[in-house]
Amino acid sequence: EPEVTQTPSHQVTQMGQEVILRCVPISNHLYFYWYRQILGQKVEFLVSFYNNEISEKSEIFDDQFSVERPDGSNFTLKIRSTKLEDSAMYFCASKTSGGAIGELFFGEGSRLTVL
Amino acid sequence: TQLLEQSPQFLSIQEGENLTVYCNSSSVFSSLQWYRQEPGEGPVLLVTVVTGGEVKKLKRLTFQFGDARKDSSLHITAAQPGDTGLYLCAGGVGGTSYGKLTFGQGTILTVHP
Repeated sequence: EPEVTQTPSHQVTQMGQEVILRCVPISNHLYFYWYRQILGQKVEFLVSFYNNEISEKSEIFDDQFSVERPDGSNFTLKIRSTKLEDSAMYFCASKTSGGAIGELFFGEGSRLTVL
Repeated sequence: TQLLEQSPQFLSIQEGENLTVYCNSSSVFSSLQWYRQEPGEGPVLLVTVVTGGEVKKLKRLTFQFGDARKDSSLHITAAQPGDTGLYLCAGGVGGTSYGKLTFGQGTILTVHP
């Protein structure tokens, strides 16, 4: 069964360091998302990406964050200078169509710990 | 800002009991989705409801979307230990929001044998 894969599963980094989280969405999907979940809190939307550009982003997704689809298969989330509060589980997700309907497939997540 | 309030936050019941989880908002959603999330994994979609008043059944799970599309419920009949997990509701809006979901805080269900 096709699935969204994410790497690394866990990354520990020092505050101020750059981090890149990688995702391989399902191959025929066109819409890509990053969500995050701080321990004990809600899953929060970060950004959506379609047709090689950001469709929508939340207030969390400030200038420290960027996304890229460099080669048609990978979808990356970069945090330029990590802060302690960036520690969270980051989920990549993809779907075939946009809008509110249609199944969103989530990866297993990348746990980021900022020290 | 759209918010989804999910209740209860924790639910601990005995095998065979019935339970209902609620998801409420003051905002209207185009769709309401229910997910189940296992520890260390991403959320997995259980069902999507899109029409006000819609009821969907998935074996022992019954999902309902409120008439005004502001609330939803998940009812489990004769709960089993295998139902133990985190259940999340998430609302989606149409138009240009490209499938952004607003999640509730989740309900941790524990079913004791």
